[in-house]
Amino acid sequence: NAGVTQTPKFRVLKTGQSMTLLCAQDMNHEYMYWYRQDPGMGLRLIHYSVGEGTTAKGEVPDGYNVSRLKKQNFLLGLESAAPSQTSVYFCASSPPGPANQPQHFGDGTRLSIL
Amino acid sequence: SQQGEEDPQALSIQEGENATMNCSYKTSINNLQWYRQNSGRGLVHLILIRSNEREKHSGRLRVTLDTSKKSSSLLITASRAADTASYFCAASGNTPLVFGKGTRLSVIA
Repeated sequence: NAGVTQTPKFRVLKTGQSMTLLCAQDMNHEYMYWYRQDPGMGLRLIHYSVGEGTTAKGEVPDGYNVSRLKKQNFLLGLESAAPSQTSVYFCASSPPGPANQPQHFGDGTRLSIL
Repeated sequence: SQQGEEDPQALSIQEGENATMNCSYKTSINNLQWYRQNSGRGLVHLILIRSNEREKHSGRLRVTLDTSKKSSSLLITASRAADTASYFCAASGNTPLVFGKGTRLSVIA
């Protein structure tokens, strides 16, 4: 049982390049999330999805786009990478509920923008 | 924002001692969650305490919640070197979870 799998684990980009981070979960969870983690800043929510075909903005959505075409996958795109987007990106998933349920996290994608 | 804020930012203790971390939040919640993050890994859920609960135990973990003070504490008893990690609280209200900046716990053997 893999849980939440993030691809790739590491990537170096040049300013202005684009890329897509892939998140896949095998727990049949309805909800999925993308966070970024920077030193001293904790986790900040970028975008999230409460079901296939739906997306919503989080705390820091600018410069990112997402898509949830299949229930098990949640893609995070950077159209024109900037050095400020150097970070560790985490994907998470959770079941639905009347209140926030525990989230299951992947091990992150470490992204450097030069 | 229901953001959780942990205190202290860093904590260093000897193996066998107890570790206490505190969390404060700003608005009404329906539950509060604690997570652990080992270096280079994703967060792992530890325990969830509902707003109508005051204390909860899981193994060597004890969590308390005081909704009147908008605060929670995580106690790890008889700490081990393997408990070395960052610990985050996350307050759950009507928006997605918002995580604090974490407490870095170092347990020295």
